[in-house]
Amino acid sequence: KQEVTQIPAALSVPEGENLVLNCSFTDSAIYNLQWFRQDPGKGLTSLLLIQSSQREQTSGRLNASLDKSSGRSTLYIAASQPGDSATYLCAVNEVTGGGNKLTFGTGTQLKVEL
Amino acid sequence: KAGVTQTPRYLIKTRGQQVTLSCSPISGHRSVSWYQQTPGQGLQFLFEYFSETQRNKGNFPGRFSGRQFSNSRSEMNVSTLELGDSALYLCASSSQLNTGELFFGEGSRLTVL
Repeated sequence: KQEVTQIPAALSVPEGENLVLNCSFTDSAIYNLQWFRQDPGKGLTSLLLIQSSQREQTSGRLNASLDKSSGRSTLYIAASQPGDSATYLCAVNEVTGGGNKLTFGTGTQLKVEL
Repeated sequence: KAGVTQTPRYLIKTRGQQVTLSCSPISGHRSVSWYQQTPGQGLQFLFEYFSETQRNKGNFPGRFSGRQFSNSRSEMNVSTLELGDSALYLCASSSQLNTGELFFGEGSRLTVL
């Protein structure tokens, strides 16, 4: 059974800092891995999608990497801003799922302080 | 382009009642999946539909059911509500199976009293 773990569970940083969020998964037979952010009481906003054949994806100040063989992904946020405060979730779409069935991590709650 | 739309956004029910939630996917998306989010269990997969066929089902009791219509809109139903069904129910749509990016709606927050 696929298990997805995110470390740290919570993180507080001053504005302007670069930071790394970690995601690990136990079964490397995945189609892709997706990073989301969730603001309190809201739905999920897709940040980056990395296909299993890719090593990294970039969007603005965000960069996500994927090492499928070791079951790890990182989300790098450059020059953090208070507006980045949210919960960040990673999710994998397993091959054995046979469709779009995501297994989520428990998330990292990020607070960027002024 | 409109995003994923879920209705209603908030609802309150009592134990034993049933509830139907609706999801309209992004135009052109044929895959619709449902997730339950609770503080204790996090995000858990309920089921997925593609072209009106259920392709996957999560580990939930038979009280949870769903369907998809020919226009790709989807509904999920929970019968005989229990207190533990209180959760945020999220719908996601995708244009592809397996390799597609999933886009989520704002969710329907269900409170069972």
